[in-house]
Amino acid sequence: DGGITQSPKYLFRKEGQNVTLSCEQNLNHDAMYWYRQDPGQGLRLIYYSQIVNDFQKGDIAEGYSVSREKKESFPLTVTSAQKNPTAFYLCASSILGVTGELFFGEGSRLTVL
Amino acid sequence: GENVEQHPSTLSVQEGDSAVIKCTYSDSASNYFPWYKQELGKGPQLIIDIRSNVGEKKDQRIAVTLNKTAKHFSLHITETQPEDSAVYFCAALFGNEKLTFGTGTRLTIIP
Repeated sequence: DGGITQSPKYLFRKEGQNVTLSCEQNLNHDAMYWYRQDPGQGLRLIYYSQIVNDFQKGDIAEGYSVSREKKESFPLTVTSAQKNPTAFYLCASSILGVTGELFFGEGSRLTVL
Repeated sequence: GENVEQHPSTLSVQEGDSAVIKCTYSDSASNYFPWYKQELGKGPQLIIDIRSNVGEKKDQRIAVTLNKTAKHFSLHITETQPEDSAVYFCAALFGNEKLTFGTGTRLTIIP
């Protein structure tokens, strides 16, 4: 089945550790996105990539890093510099950029202990 | 700045009644307005969208209306059913690259 796969679904991390969230899609979409979801704050854009080997910062990129070495993959690293990393992270892809439908994964919930 | 306000934050309606969720946006140049539904434990899914060249769009029990002059758009769900219970997000496109989401509405359908 075509879709977006995020892993892990749940992740616990100690303060000061970096953690990488995986996002893979087999929809052949060019554009991929990472959003952060916090209660009462909607979805906020962290990073996005419209083609391989290129990506742009979103509204809340500080403390995060990404790479886009393959079309199918867009991993997100939450670094120790992110002051409040506990959140629900959503990856999405689209064929037409944001002017078309975004297809979301099921999310990864990160808890920093 | 680029802002989307969504109301109400929670909404409970009796099964069979209608539900309306409203959003306002800050940039009059915005021209694309999607609505996403997020069920518990899942990622959001597009349910309907509207572009600025039309004032209303319908898809079965779901409709979206757009008032560009007032810079607001609304989601209407008629004949609500238990499976409509979810969190709904509106969004507006700013500058052709940035989709800004509202803060979400938790809709509960009371059987």
